[in-house]
Amino acid sequence: NAGVMQNPRHLVRRRGQEARLRCSPMKGHSHVYWYRQLPEEGLKFMVYLQKENIIDESGMPKERFSAEFPKEGPSILRIQQVVRGDSAAYFCASSPGQLNTGELFFGEGSRLTVL
Amino acid sequence: EDQVTQSPEALRLQEGESSSLNCSYTVSGLRGLFWYRQDPGKGPEFLFTLYSAGEEKEKERLKATLTKKESFLHITAPKPEDSATYLCAVQAGTASKLTFGTGTRLQVTL
Repeated sequence: NAGVMQNPRHLVRRRGQEARLRCSPMKGHSHVYWYRQLPEEGLKFMVYLQKENIIDESGMPKERFSAEFPKEGPSILRIQQVVRGDSAAYFCASSPGQLNTGELFFGEGSRLTVL
Repeated sequence: EDQVTQSPEALRLQEGESSSLNCSYTVSGLRGLFWYRQDPGKGPEFLFTLYSAGEEKEKERLKATLTKKESFLHITAPKPEDSATYLCAVQAGTASKLTFGTGTRLQVTL
């Protein structure tokens, strides 16, 4: 039973390029969360999605960032025109339904480096 | 805004030397407090959920407790394999998201 799969694990982009991060939730999970972790900082919530719906995007920067979770395929976090400050580890987590027990299943993260 | 503060930032223990990690929180309408463990280069791994003051949960050498203002993660007779960053998180109000603290980096030496 595969866990949450994220790819790529490492991504290097130059300023102004686009970054696409993918997340396949655990089998049977239909809820996906994206978090960002900067060096020496905690995990910061970005967005919460269910299949084909964005439920909470209160942590998402207003510009350049977007997320989707289509009916088929992985969830994608897209960062347009990356800047150095976007360098971070991006974690995806999934849950089978609404988060009642607090048990999120995290992937191993995608580490973005912007040159 | 929900706030979670963890202390100390880092803790170094010798094998067998018990200690406690602290997580203080300020939220409106706590629904749950959660502890996670994160190893270097990995995603966080769920440990415990606590819902109300006075509740306790145990797992091997770890015990989590909750009061109205803070939670403690007690580590009894730690081993080197307990070395990791321990994260505290809260869920509040009607939100589904978790708000995390910055973690306590624990190192257990022989």
